[in-house]
Amino acid sequence: EVQLVESGGGLVQPGGSLRLSCAASGFTFSSYAMSWVRQVPGRGLEWVSFLSDNGGSTYYADSVKGRFTISRDNSKNTLYLQMNSLRAEDTAVYYCAKIPGGYYYDSSGYFDYWGQGTLVTVSS
Amino acid sequence: EIVLTQSPGTLSLSPGERATLSCRASQSVSSTYLTWYQQKPGQAPRLLIYSASSRATGIPDRFSGSGSGTDFTLTISRLEPEDFAVYYCQQYGSSPPGYTFGQGTKLEIK
Repeated sequence: EVQLVESGGGLVQPGGSLRLSCAASGFTFSSYAMSWVRQVPGRGLEWVSFLSDNGGSTYYADSVKGRFTISRDNSKNTLYLQMNSLRAEDTAVYYCAKIPGGYYYDSSGYFDYWGQGTLVTVSS
Repeated sequence: EIVLTQSPGTLSLSPGERATLSCRASQSVSSTYLTWYQQKPGQAPRLLIYSASSRATGIPDRFSGSGSGTDFTLTISRLEPEDFAVYYCQQYGSSPPGYTFGQGTKLEIK
């Protein structure tokens, strides 16, 4: 059974940093691309970042480019999101999501499994 | 960047009725890259339909997707109580790379 478990969320002040983790199990983690998607409570979904299976290819939404960094440790079956220079508008539930493919341009273009999410609140 | 607009914003129906949800794209989208998700309160989104019309594993056959170009539809043939949720469409872009979601349609019990 595929499982994705996020952690690392919490309350942080504007301008601060936070690192989210996503522990994966139930599939060969190193064979699949992964993404982070966020959702402001009560609002819609926003894609944040993409990382290829070997970590060599990354893409970011314009809203987080230059502030967030996605990475992975395939030996630990874990995906990360380093978030710096956080703003109030980054407040959201952050989901990690599995992609049924390894690279962006040969992937199927959707997310087949999602974690339960971790809440990030940016406030003073 | 392609914008996805879902309608209606809220759909009020009774169990047993048929639901038709629309997703319109600002530019043509390959059917291969149009996806539908269901999200219930307090839960993560769940994959329903990929490639516009293919049901994901374990999804009942009362759910179906159709469409091409700029107009896509999710149909639930006969609503069950557990189908009342928010539904999102999503597309995948190649230039620039990224994923875009519609704003969602809330399907509520009438």
